[in-house]
Amino acid sequence: EPEVTQTPSHQVTQMGQEVILRCVPISNHLYFYWYRQILGQKVEFLVSFYNNEISEKSEIFDDQFSVERPDGSNFTLKIRSTKLEDSAMYFCASRGDRGLEKLFFGSGTQLSVL
Amino acid sequence: ILNVEQSPQSLHVQEGDSTNFTCSFPSSNFYALHWYRWETAKSPEALFVMTLNGDEKKKGRISATLNTKEGYSYLYIKGSQPEDSATYLCALPSNTGNQFYFGTGTSLTVIP
Repeated sequence: EPEVTQTPSHQVTQMGQEVILRCVPISNHLYFYWYRQILGQKVEFLVSFYNNEISEKSEIFDDQFSVERPDGSNFTLKIRSTKLEDSAMYFCASRGDRGLEKLFFGSGTQLSVL
Repeated sequence: ILNVEQSPQSLHVQEGDSTNFTCSFPSSNFYALHWYRWETAKSPEALFVMTLNGDEKKKGRISATLNTKEGYSYLYIKGSQPEDSATYLCALPSNTGNQFYFGTGTSLTVIP
């Protein structure tokens, strides 16, 4: 079965540094998402992306966050100036466009901000 | 924001036992419900997508039912095996599918 791939699997960074989390969604999918899970808490929605633009974003997704699909295959999440509370597992997901199809998730990037 | 609740939060069962857990959601503005299995160190994997009241889905020893009028879905595992140990998440999409709202998950441990 096709897969969503994410890199890196782990990222350790200093507070205030910029990080870029990378995802390669399934090639014929049109909807892309970033979610995160802080340890012990619910999976939280960050942003959805369709037709080369953000379709919806949560209140977590403030000016420090941005997403890009630079080359038609990669889908990146950038955090400009990381905070301690950004430490979480970040998941990328994608889906096709037939109705409310299931999400395909990547294996996540564990971000640790020190 | 859609409030999706799951219970119990965690469950330990013996190998061979059957078990079930619940996902509760507001019954208004329902579009679909997804169940995902999330094994440690792997990505969440879809089990079922359910849309109609009274829907029942089955995949091997795992099945799910849906009651949209009262706002709940049950996930059943018959004859649990150690490989069923995982966190089971339910999620409901918004009407546009631009956002999915997740429950906190039920962590299942099957003891050999």
